[in-house]
Amino acid sequence: SQKIEQNSEALNIQEGKTATLTCNYTNYSPAYLQWYRQDPGRGPVFLLLIRENEKEKRKERLKVTFDTTLKQSLFHITASQPADSATYLCALRNSGYSTLTFGKGTMLLVSP
Amino acid sequence: DVKVTQSSRYLVKRTGEKVFLECVQDMDHENMFWYRQDPGLGLRLIYFSYDVKMKEKGDIPEGYSVSREKKERFSLILESASTNQTSMYLCASSRTGGLNTEAFFGQGTRLTVV
Repeated sequence: SQKIEQNSEALNIQEGKTATLTCNYTNYSPAYLQWYRQDPGRGPVFLLLIRENEKEKRKERLKVTFDTTLKQSLFHITASQPADSATYLCALRNSGYSTLTFGKGTMLLVSP
Repeated sequence: DVKVTQSSRYLVKRTGEKVFLECVQDMDHENMFWYRQDPGLGLRLIYFSYDVKMKEKGDIPEGYSVSREKKERFSLILESASTNQTSMYLCASSRTGGLNTEAFFGQGTRLTVV
């Protein structure tokens, strides 16, 4: 069966450190992978998209890698800040489909 | 500023009521989606639509229907609300194909069925 797995345990880190979140998937052939941020009681907000032929994408303090052999994406936030505390979701779109399937998300807590 | 607007932030309905959740987007997007989000279960797709008057079932369509009479509006209907439909409902829209295919979400409707 198809699965998208994100670490269900919250990630606690100190301000200034790099946060690394993982997204693993099985039985998908994604055209691309997306990362979203969700704050409590709000809808997810798009952060980054990486295509199947891209290894790495950067945007300001964010970096995403995509390894289609390992079936894994890593999401990094460098120089993390308390304001980065949120739940981060990865989402896949299979080739030929318009729908996104989301992982359950990982909560990130950045302490001052 | 692009927007997806859901008609209510909070809603309380009684078991057996017919419930309408409305969603409007101003980005001329072809695709619109309804998800529900529950603790421990993540976002699950209920229905989606890729064009006016078109609809496709998602992963959990039972107990729901949808309507898309205009491109900008996508309605979710709970035919006879039940307590297990208490949840956060999220509407989203996106373009078809091209470079900009990210989903834009509304603020969510927290529905409680009593």
